[in-house]
Amino acid sequence: GAGVSQTPSNKVTEKGKYVELRCDPISGHTALYWYRQSLGQGPEFLIYFQGTGAADDSGLPNDRFFAVRPEGSVSTLKIQRTERGDSAVYLCASSLSPGGDYEQYFGPGTRLTVT
Amino acid sequence: LAKTTQPISMDSYEGQEVNITCSHNNIATNDYITWYQQFPSQGPRFIIQGYKTKVTNEVASLFIPADRKSSTLSLPRVSLSDTAVYYCLVGRLYYGGSQGNLIFGKGTKLSVKP
Repeated sequence: GAGVSQTPSNKVTEKGKYVELRCDPISGHTALYWYRQSLGQGPEFLIYFQGTGAADDSGLPNDRFFAVRPEGSVSTLKIQRTERGDSAVYLCASSLSPGGDYEQYFGPGTRLTVT
Repeated sequence: LAKTTQPISMDSYEGQEVNITCSHNNIATNDYITWYQQFPSQGPRFIIQGYKTKVTNEVASLFIPADRKSSTLSLPRVSLSDTAVYYCLVGRLYYGGSQGNLIFGKGTKLSVKP
């Protein structure tokens, strides 16, 4: 079946611009996660949704970052006034249910470059 | 969530068994141990998960001693295609709230040579 998909695969934007990154999780997965990965580092947790609500947004670095999942399926990560330090690969994952005993399925990521 | 420590890198040759050990001294009673594999330009992929003793699937084995303060991922007869970064993670059973996310470290970069 279809896995987690993310669009776009690559995004180049200028400093100060607004960007939206989209994640399509596996159908039926209630939990959805966003991570950010910089070169040579492991993925860093940003936010996760259980259904439509953000259950934990403690990883969002500041108020320029925001994410929504209005219908409990597709999610959009929004970054305002982008900075060069926001350049990274943004990964989305979904799982059947939240919790450390459930496998997370990751998408291929969106590579964001802020110039 | 418990912090994990694992070697930064390991080298091996094709056909050898590779064991990667991870320490998680502060693991809690309701924490599970999970390993993920990541190839360049791809998202991490689940390999194996366990709670205690030994777990085996078609690609790996996971050994967890009784005190659960460490775990060892065993890859039998590695091939060049097993060259990747391997992450050890501790994740909590979900009882509501903020336990759903995973905390990744830097992982172990495994290089398999011919």
